[in-house]
Amino acid sequence: SQTIHQWPATLVQPVGSPLSLECTVEGTSNPNLYWYRQAAGRGLQLLFYSVGIGQISSEVPQNLSASRPQDRQFILSSKKLLLSDSGFYLCAWSGGNTIYFGEGSWLTVV
Amino acid sequence: AQSVTQLGSHVSVSEGALVLLRCNYSSSVPPYLFWYVQYPNQGLQLLLKYTTGATLVKGINGFEAEFKKSETSFHLTKPSAHMSDAAEYFCAVNPAGKLIFGQGTTLQVKP
Repeated sequence: SQTIHQWPATLVQPVGSPLSLECTVEGTSNPNLYWYRQAAGRGLQLLFYSVGIGQISSEVPQNLSASRPQDRQFILSSKKLLLSDSGFYLCAWSGGNTIYFGEGSWLTVV
Repeated sequence: AQSVTQLGSHVSVSEGALVLLRCNYSSSVPPYLFWYVQYPNQGLQLLLKYTTGATLVKGINGFEAEFKKSETSFHLTKPSAHMSDAAEYFCAVNPAGKLIFGQGTTLQVKP
């Protein structure tokens, strides 16, 4: 069966520091991959999605970037974090019309 | 553009009472519709989905939802609430492979 792993689970970073969140999917090939953000008290916002290696689409302008160096690996990055980057980040994958989520990563920028 | 509206950001029910969480969508094409549940500090878990076929779909934990095209609705129901149902619930529509979420409804279950 397919599984999705996301790490780290929690992260506290100072303003201006870099960020790297990683996500890997097992048990499937060529999945669509997604990064969502859930800010406190708000809904889920799609940040990036990828249909293949090196193919990244950005949904909103922001301080973040994404990369897909391997078929089942998706990385969310920032060179310099802002306070507004704090939130709950969710990686997800789909192989058809259903999207499945990882356990999420809590990022607090201080 | 596709969108999802969940009526009521907070819903409170007594244990054993009917749960009804409302979701309306707008879509220019026949939608795929989903309900997800999120327990505190966890990711989203798929409750149920509608793609094609039977308009009444059953999911996990005793939940079900009915797709009503004429009303552009996909309301989530459960006949009898349990304390463990307390969580946040998200309705979503999937146009072209990307989920668009509603703002979520927090379900409180009172003993």
